[in-house]
Amino acid sequence: GEDVEQSLFLSVREGDSSVINCTYTDSSSTYLYWYKQEPGAGLQLLTYIFSNMDMKQDQRLTVLLNKKDKHLSLRIADTQTGDSAIYFCAETPGYGGSQGNLIFGKGTKLSVKP
Amino acid sequence: IAGITQAPTSQILAAGRRMTLRCTQDMRHNAMYWYRQDLGLGLRLIHYSNTAGTTGKGEVPDGYSVSRANTDDFPLTLASAVPSQTSVYFCASPPSRGSGYEQFFGPGTRLTVL
Repeated sequence: GEDVEQSLFLSVREGDSSVINCTYTDSSSTYLYWYKQEPGAGLQLLTYIFSNMDMKQDQRLTVLLNKKDKHLSLRIADTQTGDSAIYFCAETPGYGGSQGNLIFGKGTKLSVKP
Repeated sequence: IAGITQAPTSQILAAGRRMTLRCTQDMRHNAMYWYRQDLGLGLRLIHYSNTAGTTGKGEVPDGYSVSRANTDDFPLTLASAVPSQTSVYFCASPPSRGSGYEQFFGPGTRLTVL
């Protein structure tokens, strides 16, 4: 079945760039997403990319999609302490049944050190 | 506009007790979902509803039931709670297919079953 994999932890220094990687298995995914979860809070959509795009940039965020390798990455430029959170990669499954539930990775906990 | 609300915020429950987690949205979205979030496992779909009057099973439905009597409400019931159902529960809803399945999340219910 569909699966989304991402590393569990990433630690960077304030001001550096962070790169969070994700691999997925469902080649029919139409959209791929990055969600952010701050401690004690729900998930908040950061950005998403349509499957026919290679790159999307939104201020400090850059999403790269390699559809051939089924690899998605999120780059955060000039990482700040406020970026410390858990980041989830998610894809839309290709199977029918539900109308758009997402398949989530286990989440990458980003720690930003001052 | 509240978006998605969940109640209660947190609950401690004795094993064997019945519990209903409430979810209400004011966005008139057709689809609604229940996920559970467990450390190291990410978010997993419990049940979903494509539209009022219909429901379906997700990845981990056992021990849970849902109903969708109207568009706004999607309660999740644990008929006889067990400690393995200790988790954080999120209700979510996408606006429409055209939006790319972006999902809005409620703030979550933290449930502890003793």
